[in-house]
Amino acid sequence: DAKTTQPTSMDCAEGRAANLPCNHSTISGNEYVYWYRQIHSQGPQYIIHGLKNNETNEMASLIITEDRKSSTLILPHATLRDTAVYYCIVRDPTNDYKLSFGAGTTVTVRA
Amino acid sequence: EAQVTQNPRYLITVTGKKLTVTCSQNMNHEYMSWYRQDPGLGLRQIYYSMNVEVTDKGDVPEGYKVSRKEKRNFPLILESPSPNQTSLYFCASNDLAGSSYNEQFFGPGTRLTVL
Repeated sequence: DAKTTQPTSMDCAEGRAANLPCNHSTISGNEYVYWYRQIHSQGPQYIIHGLKNNETNEMASLIITEDRKSSTLILPHATLRDTAVYYCIVRDPTNDYKLSFGAGTTVTVRA
Repeated sequence: EAQVTQNPRYLITVTGKKLTVTCSQNMNHEYMSWYRQDPGLGLRQIYYSMNVEVTDKGDVPEGYKVSRKEKRNFPLILESPSPNQTSLYFCASNDLAGSSYNEQFFGPGTRLTVL
């Protein structure tokens, strides 16, 4: 799996967009970018994934740069319940089912 | 509701007393896995299973056993627990071929303390 680099922590105001960056400069052509989050010792929760196109679902949007060396997870209207550790993971889903969690970004949403 | 369940959620035990943490999923997933989470070390994979009767070691398998006799169940066995196995444990499952194959589903966690 390609190594990812995320900021250690970030704060966000409730109701504002939260933009979480992730660098994955050694990503290979078959590897997808996944985002998971973990709310205070609960089981990690899948958020979104993408290969090269931008993706959006009911939880978030994922913006991947054209060279695929970095991406940004966007929580459009952060709420207090979005306070969590967010993990950016890169893997090839067809031959690697293990998720390699790094330290992630601790996001604190403040009222 | 699609889910992964684990039992017990909390367990305090003593060194050497065999224990089993159960994991069950209702999504007919082929792939199941166990992780442990420790402060400063993140989540690390213990064992995984690609299907019934197929299991393999993850990154930190020492001191653990697993079995996969049925598709839905993947118990984690600690034959002789030691204090260094005190941790938060997560079971996860994954569909290998269906529409949700990119998403791994996690259980709520089991907090184990070995005295």
